[in-house]
Amino acid sequence: QQQVKQSPQSLIVQKGGISIINCAYENTAFDYFPWYQQFPGKGPALLIAIRPDVSEKKEGRFTISFNKSAKQFSLHIMDSQPGDSATYFCAASMGYIPTFGRGTSLIVHP
Amino acid sequence: DVKVTQSSRYLVKRTGEKVFLECVQDMDHENMFWYRQDPGLGLRLIYFSYDVKMKEKGDIPEGYSVSREKKERFSLILESASTNQTSMYLCASSLLSGGILSGANVLTFGAGSRLTVL
Repeated sequence: QQQVKQSPQSLIVQKGGISIINCAYENTAFDYFPWYQQFPGKGPALLIAIRPDVSEKKEGRFTISFNKSAKQFSLHIMDSQPGDSATYFCAASMGYIPTFGRGTSLIVHP
Repeated sequence: DVKVTQSSRYLVKRTGEKVFLECVQDMDHENMFWYRQDPGLGLRLIYFSYDVKMKEKGDIPEGYSVSREKKERFSLILESASTNQTSMYLCASSLLSGGILSGANVLTFGAGSRLTVL
């Protein structure tokens, strides 16, 4: 059973547009929701994270929106740039072991 | 500034061979993980370890074993490689505890080891 469902699997956006990636989770005991960014040839790296006691967290062009009642959270990338082209993974954790979504391949066209 | 090092970036092995994937971290982290990454399937946890000589099965441990003899080193072993184990393998580490502000719960990944089994 997939505990964290991520969509879409792939996303193509024009430069300057908004990229939106969505995740939904099942287990209400999850208490930490990070997003990881992976460039080709590299391992994933933490991009931004949120805890369920807040509904939004913003860091530069990246924003997490969190809806606890719907058990959903999403990553918004404003003013998307070609350098944002990467694979993005959402995750949810309870304790120190995260459960990852299946990833979204984002391509930002110049 | 490399913090999690995977010794082999690319390996090609034959079916039935024994394969060792090595991972070393220099952050004094207690937790270490081995994930497998396949297109469309995301990151799947194979094994993790929270202390020296301790190991726990993840979601897909079949066909794999691990060894952690020193805190900084975590090895993934394929006793008899098969073609369906062709994949990207990612090692990661994290603090065991200390709360969010300490960086606990944040995984630091290596660059990955791409294994091809012929």
